[in-house]
Amino acid sequence: DIQMTQSPSSLSASVGDRVTITCRASQSISSYLNWYQQKPGKAPKLLIYAASSLQSGVPSRFSGSASGTDFSLTISSLQPEDFATYYCQQSYSTPHTFGQGTKLEIK
Amino acid sequence: EVQLVESGGGLVQPGGSLRLSCAASGFTFSTHWMSWVRQAPGKGLEWVANIKQDGSDKYYVDSVKGRFTISRDNAKNSLYLQMNSLRAEDTALYYCARDHKYESSDNWGQGTLVTVSS
Repeated sequence: DIQMTQSPSSLSASVGDRVTITCRASQSISSYLNWYQQKPGKAPKLLIYAASSLQSGVPSRFSGSASGTDFSLTISSLQPEDFATYYCQQSYSTPHTFGQGTKLEIK
Repeated sequence: EVQLVESGGGLVQPGGSLRLSCAASGFTFSTHWMSWVRQAPGKGLEWVANIKQDGSDKYYVDSVKGRFTISRDNAKNSLYLQMNSLRAEDTALYYCARDHKYESSDNWGQGTLVTVSS
């Protein structure tokens, strides 16, 4: 199975900050990398698919990038509604493993 | 509007069985791969299984192989997860999800809670 290592596991930031979350795959996954946001008591929400494609309706302050087996999610200017837990997921091969999550908290 | 509504969760004893259902509406169900993803209380997301549009291909995470069976009924716009030989570690909120481009999941239900305990 492909392992997804996400970092950091938690992050404190302020409104207006630029933050980056990273995810490393244990082997090549091409561009089959997705990012989700989950708020407490809610289902996950797709933000980015195919490493850098913004899902319809997602604000443009969210962006994704890739370099080999390293992937990043960047939020350019944090808004209050962005404080949540973020997960990466590889969908290159089954099982479609998730990273362990990054909890983004208000500083 | 895409809607996915899970049902069938509950409290079951170890070794027992449950069948989860997911009722889909607002899109052409038969044209999408579908997935089940679970989340143990206070833990992260775990992909469980997915199924091709016509049900001909199915994939599972190793921990449920031989115990869980994913299926679908395109005439009823419904996805199912038959869970047998349940274990305490299967306790989780189970989400059904519609698969999108690059096999991402773009729509999710609200989840149904499965608790395995004596």
